[in-house]
Order: sequence, then C-alpha cells, then structure tokens
Amino acid sequence: QVQLQESGPRLVKPSGTLSLNCAVSGASISSRNWWSWVRQPPGKGLEWIGEIYHTGSTNYNPSLESRVAISIDKPNNYFSLKLTSMTAADTAVYFCASEAGGGWDIFDSWGQGALVIVSS
Amino acid sequence: SSELTQDPAVSVALGQTVRITCQGDSLRSYPAAWYQQKPGQAPVVVFYGESNRPSGIPDRFSASSSGTRASLTITGAQAEDEADYYCNSRDSSGDHPLYVFGPGTKVSVL
Repeated sequence: QVQLQESGPRLVKPSGTLSLNCAVSGASISSRNWWSWVRQPPGKGLEWIGEIYHTGSTNYNPSLESRVAISIDKPNNYFSLKLTSMTAADTAVYFCASEAGGGWDIFDSWGQGALVIVSS
Repeated sequence: SSELTQDPAVSVALGQTVRITCQGDSLRSYPAAWYQQKPGQAPVVVFYGESNRPSGIPDRFSASSSGTRASLTITGAQAEDEADYYCNSRDSSGDHPLYVFGPGTKVSVL
C-alpha cells in the first residue's frame, strides 16, 4: 500500500507562493503512473489541482494553470506543488494523492492533508 | 471543462436504502468514481465504475450509470455511512485531460 505524507509551510502571506512536498513510501514513485494534488477549502468540496506522470509530464486544472507547477523528484521519491500569487481564496487543505493506474482513473491513496492558511 | 452536479444533501433512516446521483457530460465517456469523506479525514474511494468495490468496502455500497448520470446506492445504511460523498471522473473536453469532482452530497443517517 502506498503511503503519502504532505509537508511544507502552513502559513503563506498574500501574494506569496505555496510550496508543498508529498513524500511517497511503500512504492517507488516510478512504479505508478500519475500523482495528483487536490485541495479543499474549509467547509467546501474537493478541487483537483493537477497531476504529474513519473516521466515529468503534467496536466493542470485550467482554473489554476497560470499559477501552478507540479514537479517530481524520483531519486528522493517525492513530488511537489508550487502555487503562486496566493490569496485568501487559496486557503484550503491540500491533499496529495496517488492514481491507481491499471486503466482506472481513481485515487486509491491519499495523504492526510495539509491545512494551508493565507494570511499576513 | 465540464462539470458534475450532485444533490447537496440527502437523509436516510438507519437500515434503509439511499441513492446518490451525479450528472455530467464527462460521464458519457468516463466512468464515475465515488469517494466517502468523513470530517477531518482524507477521502476514501468506495466504488468505481459499475462493478468495482475496493477491498474493505462493505457490499452495501453499489453503483450504476447510464449516459450522463451515475448513481451510488447504499443498501441498509449504517450510522458509520454518514459522510460527504463525492463523484469524480476524468474529463477530456478541453485541451488537456483533467479530473472533475462533483460538489458533494452530505448523507445523514437518521
């Protein structure tokens, strides 16, 4: 079973940049296809941010595409999220998730989530 | 990109059956996945496609789909099924493939 753990600053200033890492354990990051980030504002629903393939190819939510970058570090088995120009609307729990592969577009492993607050 | 719609909330008496529906154009091309989320926890996939229940998920969870509509049914709802449920699918209507989530349905077990 793949285990995921988010890490990074939990307080970001307005106009600043969010940087989160997702450490992967229990599997090589190259053994699965796609790795995603999903966020959830307090009291609201889930929003998919984007994904990265183990080769480095990415797909992003068009609503965030101009501000988001996802990268992968295969030697150290983690992937990362950067979101620029943060505002209060970006306050959310940020989850990293693993896609099961095998032809199924589902997230079968999730990190516990990291609450990131945008505030001065 | 397309959107998925869900009823905001439904309630069910303990032991009775409840159906949660999800509608969107992406479901015509891609199967739905259903996630259960309890307060303070990460989502957990409870069903995907029309016949796939992950190991450890009770068999009271089932799903179906037709055209642009997908449904998750809980037959004999238990107190522990009270949670938010999100449908989700791939969407390739834009320039790049992406995922869409429905807004979620809050299930209350009375």
